[in-house]
Amino acid sequence: DAGVTQSPTHLIKTRGQQVTLRCSPKSGHDTVSWYQQALGQGPQFIFQYYEEEERQRGNFPDRFSGHQFPNYSSELNVNALLLGDSALYLCASSLVGGGRTDTQYFGPGTRLTVL
Amino acid sequence: RKEVEQDPGPFNVPEGATVAFNCTYSNSASQSFFWYRQDCRKEPKLLMSVYSSGNEDGRFTAQLNRASQYISLLIRDSKLSDSATYLCVVSSAGTGANNLFFGTGTRLTVIP
Repeated sequence: DAGVTQSPTHLIKTRGQQVTLRCSPKSGHDTVSWYQQALGQGPQFIFQYYEEEERQRGNFPDRFSGHQFPNYSSELNVNALLLGDSALYLCASSLVGGGRTDTQYFGPGTRLTVL
Repeated sequence: RKEVEQDPGPFNVPEGATVAFNCTYSNSASQSFFWYRQDCRKEPKLLMSVYSSGNEDGRFTAQLNRASQYISLLIRDSKLSDSATYLCVVSSAGTGANNLFFGTGTRLTVIP
């Protein structure tokens, strides 16, 4: 049973560039959430996707956008990168249907460094 | 005010010691509560859910006090392998969406 997978593992970009991070949820899960974890901090919620739509969004600017595909995989896009975007980006999957919620399982993360 | 607040530590304890972590949360409408464990440069992993009645899993005991909006985790007979960061996590009461709010984490080091 495959767990949550993310790609790439590491990424180095320069200010102003754009980046796309990818996530495949755990088998059987239909919901993907994205989190940003800065060094020494807990993860912060970016947004959540279910049925290919953004269900909920945290306090992040419009530079952060996402997408969910029919196979439930998801992408996180960040435009106009800032130095402060350097962080570990975590994807979590869960099963949410008809109001029922389930535990979120995290992928290994993508470590983004902005120079 | 932060959604979830916890003492960042670090806690340095000898093997076999008992250690307790606490956290508080600000949203009284919060629905679900968890402790996650995060090893250095790894992803968070669910340690246990927390219920009002309290729950125990081996050496780990978690308690929730809704009236005080307070969550605790007790680790008995600490092992070297317990060294990690422990994250207090609260789930929002959204319409089916369950985004998680994390504390900053408490760093535990168990010393031989």
